[in-house]
Amino acid sequence: DGGITQSPKYLFRKEGQNVTLSCEQNLNHDAMYWYRQDPGQGLRLIYYSQIVNDFQKGDIAEGYSVSREKKESFPLTVTSAQKNPTAFYLCASSITGTSGFNEQFFGPGTRLTVL
Amino acid sequence: KNQVEQSPQSLIILEGKNCTLQCNYTVSPFSNLRWYKQDTGRGPVSLTIMTFSENTKSNGRYTATLDADTKQSSLHITASQLSDSASYICVVSAKSGYSTLTFGKGTMLLVSP
Repeated sequence: DGGITQSPKYLFRKEGQNVTLSCEQNLNHDAMYWYRQDPGQGLRLIYYSQIVNDFQKGDIAEGYSVSREKKESFPLTVTSAQKNPTAFYLCASSITGTSGFNEQFFGPGTRLTVL
Repeated sequence: KNQVEQSPQSLIILEGKNCTLQCNYTVSPFSNLRWYKQDTGRGPVSLTIMTFSENTKSNGRYTATLDADTKQSSLHITASQLSDSASYICVVSAKSGYSTLTFGKGTMLLVSP
């Protein structure tokens, strides 16, 4: 069963706690992305990685951190510095990140709620 | 600033009817435009991709059009089904050193029995 997976599907966090969202792909894609989706808003890019051990900030990176130690994995940590972390988080991957023609395949998402 | 505007924001139609969703963009330099379907609580799935030279592309009951001169695209859904109820997102890619995408806010479609 090939594809991109995210876990958990639902996540609850207390204020002041860091939390890590998992994203795994077995599509052999070089590029991976993290987006945040809020009601009535378009997807916004948090971080992206074009290759292992390299990643770049997107439009709203403040309060988030990532790592890319393996090609298959791109975990996102939501830190306590993120002022409004409650949102739907989507992970995506593409063959490469250097061409807009490469389709981004999305995972099923993680809904994070801060209590 | 690159922008993608979609209309209407939401739409309710009866099962079996047709509908058309609109997308206007100001992304430059333009590379391609995709329409994604996003079911509630799920990740988006690509329906079509259109490049500068393409005017029309179909995928089953979904037909996308592109007018690169006016920077407008539309997604036409024929003979709607209950399973078409979803958010439809227009995504425009700019030509650059890496894949930069600008996402519209989406049109929420509800197909009613």
